[in-house]
Amino acid sequence: GAVVSQHPSWVICKSGTSVKIECRSLDFQATTMFWYRQFPKQSLMLMATSNEGSKATYEQGVEKDKFLINHASLTLSTLTVTSAHPEDSSFYICRALAGRSMAEQFFGPGTRLTVL
Amino acid sequence: GEDVEQSLFLSVREGDSSVINCTYTDSSSTYLYWYKQEPGAGLQLLTYIFSNMDMKQDQRLTVLLNKKDKHLSLRIADTQTGDSAIYFCAESLYSSASKIIFGSGTRLSIRP
Repeated sequence: GAVVSQHPSWVICKSGTSVKIECRSLDFQATTMFWYRQFPKQSLMLMATSNEGSKATYEQGVEKDKFLINHASLTLSTLTVTSAHPEDSSFYICRALAGRSMAEQFFGPGTRLTVL
Repeated sequence: GEDVEQSLFLSVREGDSSVINCTYTDSSSTYLYWYKQEPGAGLQLLTYIFSNMDMKQDQRLTVLLNKKDKHLSLRIADTQTGDSAIYFCAESLYSSASKIIFGSGTRLSIRP
């Protein structure tokens, strides 16, 4: 089946630094990718919708200047957490749409970010 | 508003059936989903049901939908150790599945 990868799978950084997380669709083109954040024992919260070649659409309450999203190609979307703080520590997951039906959607394995 | 609720934990003996329940608030939901998340992995779509259906069966999985009560359940027959995971209920309003609202997830553990 279709595969979505994320890199890195986990990262530890110091407060104030920026971290880039990549989401790649390995065997299909994804015009739309979504970024989620998941806290321990909690649900996935949609952060933003990323469309190839256009600006991302952010959900209410998500700071677009802090969470920079770039969808430069049909197989790659990046999420950059700028000036990270400990409260940004979380599990970040991307989802890519391979088609229009609900069965054609694939999640990445997630990236665990720990900010010290 | 949109809200999806699930119990956090379920423990089942191997070989028994597991029933994971979910309630949702938005009566406009068009599609309802069940996802499985294994440790360190992304979410895997297990099954989904259209809002105009009452039941859907797929091998060991049975989904029941009670629209009146806004209640969704997932039954796993003959539960195996490989079924240990977190199961997320989710709803969406649009056929393109662009925006999906997830429940908090139910951690299913299997005891021998």
